[in-house]
Amino acid sequence: QKEVEQNSGPLSVPEGAIASLNCTYSDRGSQSFFWYRQYSGKSPELIMSIYSNGDKEDGRFTAQLNKASQYVSLLIRDSQPSDSATYLCAVLPSGGYQKVTFGTGTKLQVIP
Amino acid sequence: GAGVSQSPRYKVTKRGQDVALRCDPISGHVSLYWYRQALGQGPEFLTYFNYEAQQDKSGLPNDRFSAERPEGSISTLTIQRTEQRDSAMYRCASSAGLAGEPHGNEQFFGPGTRLTVL
Repeated sequence: QKEVEQNSGPLSVPEGAIASLNCTYSDRGSQSFFWYRQYSGKSPELIMSIYSNGDKEDGRFTAQLNKASQYVSLLIRDSQPSDSATYLCAVLPSGGYQKVTFGTGTKLQVIP
Repeated sequence: GAGVSQSPRYKVTKRGQDVALRCDPISGHVSLYWYRQALGQGPEFLTYFNYEAQQDKSGLPNDRFSAERPEGSISTLTIQRTEQRDSAMYRCASSAGLAGEPHGNEQFFGPGTRLTVL
């Protein structure tokens, strides 16, 4: 079992719809969770971090964390073509150890 | 500086040559990470530093790869006797690394160095 799993996609959504990106992780004691956006040919860019169970909203983005289910998701409301990118989930395990593990990413395509 | 910088941005070398990739982290960031990223994959951990101490080098593929951060700021990733399979994008990231501070683990990436071994 991979430590951090994501569906590679592509996930296609029409412009204006909600895009839902999902990630599961294996280390039950993981404490910190991050979502990165990576445009083709560019570096990963941090867009959200979440540390507690529940929802965290930032503009059109909402991160959701469920530690019991070992599941973290990213919702993008009112999706725009400029949101088309690969979204990487990253997890920091327990114990304060700083080695973050990245998933392989989900490619999102927003269709105008 | 304003962000993480890496140099060179592109490096083409011949098999068997040594290469040195440089990373300059965000000013004041304690932690520095090296990753390798293949096309269509997430970043693959290589090694990381807190200050000048190399905390984990478990991701380095073999003993041809080494890294240092002698003064706790700029870091160099060195690949000796390069092979074609070393061709990849090498990425550096830094974080504030503040113990007990949740946002201290947020990593910010540099532009990467594209290494091509002929």
